[in-house]
Amino acid sequence: AQSVAQPEDQVNVAEGNPLTVKCTYSVSGNPYLFWYVQYPNRGLQFLLKYITGDNLVKGSYGFEAEFNKSQTSFHLKKPSALVSDSALYFCAVRDIWANNLFFGTGTRLTVIP
Amino acid sequence: ETGVTQTPRHLVMGMTNKKSLKCEQHLGHNAMYWYKQSAKKPLELMFVYSLEERVENNSVPSRFSPECPNSSHLFLHLHTLQPEDSALYLCASSQPGQGGNTEAFFGQGTRLTVV
Repeated sequence: AQSVAQPEDQVNVAEGNPLTVKCTYSVSGNPYLFWYVQYPNRGLQFLLKYITGDNLVKGSYGFEAEFNKSQTSFHLKKPSALVSDSALYFCAVRDIWANNLFFGTGTRLTVIP
Repeated sequence: ETGVTQTPRHLVMGMTNKKSLKCEQHLGHNAMYWYKQSAKKPLELMFVYSLEERVENNSVPSRFSPECPNSSHLFLHLHTLQPEDSALYLCASSQPGQGGNTEAFFGQGTRLTVV
């Protein structure tokens, strides 16, 4: 069975500070991992994905994520947070045998000016 | 714009009404999905269509009825809903034939309120 855990409902960070949004996953095989962002009253927007290769993946808007197989984690990071990064962030996983994405419960990021 | 368009953006309906949600994608994808997003819950996958055939139905009540007339269009027909069905309904599309490693593209959602 596939599952994703986002242990923090809410993350607050000061503008200009680095941010981390945590994600751990569980799949039976090799995972495909994704991060999405959702702004108020909008759908989900794709940020980045890990398929294979380098464990550090770079995506849109300066975000990056690090795949750690031993810890089954895929934490989202950004070196310097912007107020405009405030949104709801979702981690998702798909294993190579499935068509479907399984999402976590989301983490609300608030960047404080 | 993600290339996936949902209409209407907002819908208020009574429990005895019949309404439909529409989703359209212009990305050439061959898989389409309906998700339900409720507060404090993970996104719930409702239906998956691949090449216009339904391949998964995650035990969704029969008051929700999907229709996929072609690879670009997806509908969700609603009938005798309950207040707990109020949620944001998201449509997505992807091209899973490339090994499953492609991301899904989402529409902006329909905010449904059942009164």
